[in-house]
Amino acid sequence: QITLKESGPTLVKPTQTLTLTCTFSGFSLSTSGVGVGWIRQPPGKALEWLALIYWDDEKRYSPSLKSRLAITKDTSKNQVVLTMTNTDPVDTATYYCAHTRADIVVVNAFSPWGQGTLVTVSS
Amino acid sequence: DIQMTQSPSTLSASVGDRVAITCRASQGIVNWLAWYQQKPGKAPKLLIYKASSLESGVPSRFSGSGYGTEFTLTISSLQPDDFATYYCQQYNSYSSFGQGTKLEIK
Repeated sequence: QITLKESGPTLVKPTQTLTLTCTFSGFSLSTSGVGVGWIRQPPGKALEWLALIYWDDEKRYSPSLKSRLAITKDTSKNQVVLTMTNTDPVDTATYYCAHTRADIVVVNAFSPWGQGTLVTVSS
Repeated sequence: DIQMTQSPSTLSASVGDRVAITCRASQGIVNWLAWYQQKPGKAPKLLIYKASSLESGVPSRFSGSGYGTEFTLTISSLQPDDFATYYCQQYNSYSSFGQGTKLEIK
């Protein structure tokens, strides 16, 4: 059974760097074809894809946020870390990590998802 | 960027009804489209991928169709557990989601 869980601060101040960790079980990020992505959802709003990392360390970022994001993996710890710099109140959202599998396209569907973690950006 | 537009934004229906939700892409996405169900306070759950492939464990009353720019999620006979918000996701060019369709009880 695949499970994922997000962790990180619940409150960050504007301009600070946000670091979120996804800890997973039931699969290995060293297995060919496996990936982990991050998606966020502002309160009451739609989903937004942020970033994705694959087993081979290939990384993909949302073009609109690419300059502010970094995604890394620690295969030995079964963790993926997302870093977002220069945060703003508009970054307030529930942040989800999710499992995916590689296909001929750059990004794929996500399943399953973690429970999400709410991050508020406010002074 | 590919924009995804769902319609309707809200849909009122009764148990047993057949309902359809539409998702339109601003440019062709082949069949790289997924549908998710989200309940309040919960993470999205994948229902359909590659426009028409049913995710394992998802009831067969859910089906997807479409190609290119227009796609449909159909629920053949609504069950009480189906009242939720539904999102489409394109993954032909990076990824983007629709704004959601809230399916509520009439």
